[in-house]
Amino acid sequence: DTGVSQDPRHKITKRGQNVTFRCDPISEHNRLYWYRQTLGQGPEFLTYFQNEAQLEKSRLLSDRFSAERPKGSFSTLEIQRTEQGDSAMYLCASSLGPENWNTEAFFGQGTRLTVV
Amino acid sequence: AQTVTQSQPEMSVQEAETVTLSCTYDTSESDYYLFWYKQPPSRQMILVIRQEAYKQQNATENRFSVNFQKAAKSFSLKISDSQLGDAAMYFCAYRSAFASGTYKYIFGTGTRLKVLA
Repeated sequence: DTGVSQDPRHKITKRGQNVTFRCDPISEHNRLYWYRQTLGQGPEFLTYFQNEAQLEKSRLLSDRFSAERPKGSFSTLEIQRTEQGDSAMYLCASSLGPENWNTEAFFGQGTRLTVV
Repeated sequence: AQTVTQSQPEMSVQEAETVTLSCTYDTSESDYYLFWYKQPPSRQMILVIRQEAYKQQNATENRFSVNFQKAAKSFSLKISDSQLGDAAMYFCAYRSAFASGTYKYIFGTGTRLKVLA
């Protein structure tokens, strides 16, 4: 296992289109996180899963965003009716838990979304 | 709600010298974890060092060490013998340790470190 994998690495879409990103976590990790990062800023939390359960979702997250993690393995993040303000790097991370409380999150390389 | 603040948008250090990056945080919790992550240009974030709040001893990883001041809610990163490969964005992050707490990682805005040859 080589780490957290995200696909695609880059996505250019027209405003109003729907996009879907995929994240494959490290296989034994039961926690999976989605973050958004804009240029010069720190990662902003979007949502996280423990196994297949979505335990928390940011209040800043528009209803146009939805995430799933069927069977507690890979996860998808969908953005409907994209807007230019959605342009950002979308980061996925995974970690062990809950018994491994002090473990760090391992990040993927991200999907860079550009909405034109 | 917890917050993490990094007040230095950019820092520079001469190769082989020492630099300290600052981080402060705000929380009402007594037990938590603090992290420093490194994000090289166009590459993924990797963990540099981790500190458990219940431990008084400052964490050290080779050339990287922290100064953890719990009462002051301060968590600075010291990089000794800086190398060109240390150039990156550095993010300070907080995570609750309570079973009933949120397990999301809360990040600061980052400090861009430049290493001068």
